[in-house]
Amino acid sequence: EVQLVESGGGLVQPGGSLRLSCAASGFTFSSYSMNWVRQAPGKGLEWVSYISSSSSTIYYADSVKGRFTISRDNAKNSLYLQMNSLRDEDTAVYYCARVESAARTFDYWGQGTLVTVSS
Amino acid sequence: DIQMTQSPSSVSASVGDRVTITCRASQGISSWLAWYQQKPGKAPKLLIYAASSLQSGVPSRFSGSGSGTDFTLTISSLQPEDFATYYCQQANSFPLLTFGGGTKVEIK
Repeated sequence: EVQLVESGGGLVQPGGSLRLSCAASGFTFSSYSMNWVRQAPGKGLEWVSYISSSSSTIYYADSVKGRFTISRDNAKNSLYLQMNSLRDEDTAVYYCARVESAARTFDYWGQGTLVTVSS
Repeated sequence: DIQMTQSPSSVSASVGDRVTITCRASQGISSWLAWYQQKPGKAPKLLIYAASSLQSGVPSRFSGSGSGTDFTLTISSLQPEDFATYYCQQANSFPLLTFGGGTKVEIK
């Protein structure tokens, strides 16, 4: 069974940093591209970042470019999101999601981890 | 950037009703369109990919159609478990995937 489990969310002050993790199991993690998608309270879904299976290709949404860094460790079956210079508007539930490249969809999602940026 | 516009933003319907949700892309995206269902406090679930292909395990009362810029998600006979928010997602600019604003299906 495919499982994605996020961790690392919490309360952080504006300007602070946080590192999210996503532990993957039930599939060959090193064969899949992965993403972070977020959802602000009461709002819609926003794609945040993409990383290819080998980490050779990385993309970011304009809203986080220069502040967030996506990475992965295929030996540990783990995905990460380093978030720096956090702003109030970064408050959201952050989901890791597997990409099914042929269909170009997010076929499996984690349960999400809440990041709250507030003073 | 490709913008995705869903309508309506919310719809009230009864069990057994036929419900149709529309998604429009700001430019042609061929058939690179997916639909997701999200229930409160839960992660989104993939329903439809490639505009009209049903994801494994999804009930056949869900169907998708369209190509180019205009797409629809239809629930042929609404069931109690279908009350949720639905999102479209374009995949033409993969891996830069963007979502529509969502359509909440509420109980009438």
